[in-house]
Amino acid sequence: GDSVTQMEGPVTLSEEAFLTINCTYTATGYPSLFWYVQYPGEGLQLLLKATKADDKGSNKGFEATYRKETTSFHLEKGSVQVSDSAVYFCALSDSGSGAGSYQLTFGKGTKLSVIP
Amino acid sequence: GAGVSQSPRYKVAKRGQDVALRCDPISGHVSLFWYQQALGQGPEFLTYFQNEAQLDKSGLPSDRFFAERPEGSVSTLKIQRTQQEDSAVYLCASSIQYEQYFGPGTRLTVT
Repeated sequence: GDSVTQMEGPVTLSEEAFLTINCTYTATGYPSLFWYVQYPGEGLQLLLKATKADDKGSNKGFEATYRKETTSFHLEKGSVQVSDSAVYFCALSDSGSGAGSYQLTFGKGTKLSVIP
Repeated sequence: GAGVSQSPRYKVAKRGQDVALRCDPISGHVSLFWYQQALGQGPEFLTYFQNEAQLDKSGLPSDRFFAERPEGSVSTLKIQRTQQEDSAVYLCASSIQYEQYFGPGTRLTVT
């Protein structure tokens, strides 16, 4: 079945440091890929998405590129801020699985703490 | 417009009690999903509705879990005879196409 493996946390960075959170996936069909973010005390929010190979999703300075050859969708940001402290989830939706539901399969999440 | 809302936000139940969790999706969203998020884990799919039809319930962990969406809008997730392992945050999401919008969740604690 479909699965998502992402870098274990927690990750602690100083403000303005470079961020990479690794994410790899297995899927039976042709998935769309997502990064969701969960800020403290808040619900899951879509951060960015990519729907086909070589697409780059970007938002709020975060980027991730859909790499089919390496089945990866790593999240990057050039300069993190304290306000980026949150839990980040990589996820996929496999429209080719036959289920028809576009359900999301999530990784376990990576907690990021940014210190001033 | 308003986002997805869920109620109650917190629920404490004694083992063996029945609980009902409510989800109000974004108006006009045809698709509705329920997920279960255990502490320190990513959300896991429970069930999916398209309008009032429950098209996928493959993620429901046991026959104690039941979901409905009778008029194709509000949905209720019911858990009968709650067990400690049911303690989790229950998330509802509604969507158009493949982009899902999540509610704040209901944190269920079974004591």
